Amino acid sequence: TQLLEQSPQFLSIQEGENLTVYCNSSSVFSSLQWYRQEPGEGPVLLVTVVTGGEVKKLKRLTFQFGDARKDSSLHITAAQTGDTGLYLCGETSGSRLTFGEGTQLTVNP
Amino acid sequence: SAVISQKPSRDICQRGTSLTIQCQVDSQVTMMFWYRQQPGQSLTLIATANQGSEATYESGFVIDKFPISRPNLTFSTLTVSNMSPEDSSIYLCSVAGAYGYTFGSGTRLTVV
Repeated sequence: TQLLEQSPQFLSIQEGENLTVYCNSSSVFSSLQWYRQEPGEGPVLLVTVVTGGEVKKLKRLTFQFGDARKDSSLHITAAQTGDTGLYLCGETSGSRLTFGEGTQLTVNP
Repeated sequence: SAVISQKPSRDICQRGTSLTIQCQVDSQVTMMFWYRQQPGQSLTLIATANQGSEATYESGFVIDKFPISRPNLTFSTLTVSNMSPEDSSIYLCSVAGAYGYTFGSGTRLTVV
């Protein structure tokens, strides 16, 4: 199982600002998933990226998969307080899903 | 996607005792997964539970401490045995679907 490195670990911004979260590995990802977890809940899938260079958009969220499939980023435009949560990248190996360390995002009003 | 019911949602337990966490899925699934999430941290996979066979544990987790049952394709339990304060965490079950993994809401365990 490869190690997933996420950065930053913590991020506190004002509503309306933009932000980017990164997920990196020394090995090639077969595919990568991004999840968001809110307090008291389990993680919820946001997107799966599979193809190198792929870009996916989900409203104000933009997900990129690196050309070499060793890195991915999540960009949020004009953050809202409802975006507050723990953002996790995860990789499947066989049937097992393992996560990076997570980015705790706080969006202040 | 599957709907998962997990209980209890929280519990406060005395050290040295055991707690069994239940996970019920609304559809049949081959594999169920158990995770631990320590305060302020990410999720760590404990084990994979297949119906009809012994669970497969990740490095650092052992069956004596975290016995798992999987009696059918919609249900699993995780027991946290001989608890210590270091076991205070959120425990979550999960299943894989066509579009990703679905998680229960978790069991917040506090050991005093």
